[in-house]
Amino acid sequence: EAGVAQSPRYKIIEKRQSVAFWCNPISGHATLYWYQQILGQGPKLLIQFQNNGVVDDSQLPKDRFSAERLKGVDSTLKIQPAKLEDSAVYLCASSLGVSGQQPQHFGDGTRLSIL
Amino acid sequence: AQSVSQHNHHVILSEAASLELGCNYSYGGTVNLFWYVQYPGQHLQLLLKYFSGDPLVKGIKGFEAEFIKSKFSFNLRKPSVQWSDTAEYFCAATGFRGSARQLTFGSGTQLTVLP
Repeated sequence: EAGVAQSPRYKIIEKRQSVAFWCNPISGHATLYWYQQILGQGPKLLIQFQNNGVVDDSQLPKDRFSAERLKGVDSTLKIQPAKLEDSAVYLCASSLGVSGQQPQHFGDGTRLSIL
Repeated sequence: AQSVSQHNHHVILSEAASLELGCNYSYGGTVNLFWYVQYPGQHLQLLLKYFSGDPLVKGIKGFEAEFIKSKFSFNLRKPSVQWSDTAEYFCAATGFRGSARQLTFGSGTQLTVLP
């Protein structure tokens, strides 16, 4: 089966600029996740969707980050405006359901560098 | 709050040496436990998982992990490592209620196997 697709792989922007990331989950996976992985740390959940609805966005910095999954398939994550501390790898993952027992499948990530 | 701790940030072994990577979790109730691996240049992938039953679980590529409830631990083991096991290893956990259903990662252990 095709894996989780993410683009772009790399992005370099200056602080205060905007940036958007795209994710296409595995076909049939109802649940989609966005994670932030800062160098030297494990991934941290930003937002979780079940179909096109938000399940958990408690750790999403809503003053600058936004995400949508309008048709319940692919998703975009946006940062506006970016800060230096947003430099990280942004990972998208998907799973069949919301149960904690459903393994998550990860994409290759987008490495974001803020100058 | 739920947390996962990995005590070894970087482990260096020679081929054929035995491996044990430590993982401790802090959760209030029943927990699901995972080990993920990230090989150089690749995406995170599931190595093994524990939900219930036999506390000794076997995963891919000869890895196994033991769930010890009394110690809140889920250590990863392999009797004889190979150069191809060089990767970063992440322990992760989910609970069953509310925000505990988030997949919480440890900070990762970089394993380097010398040929």
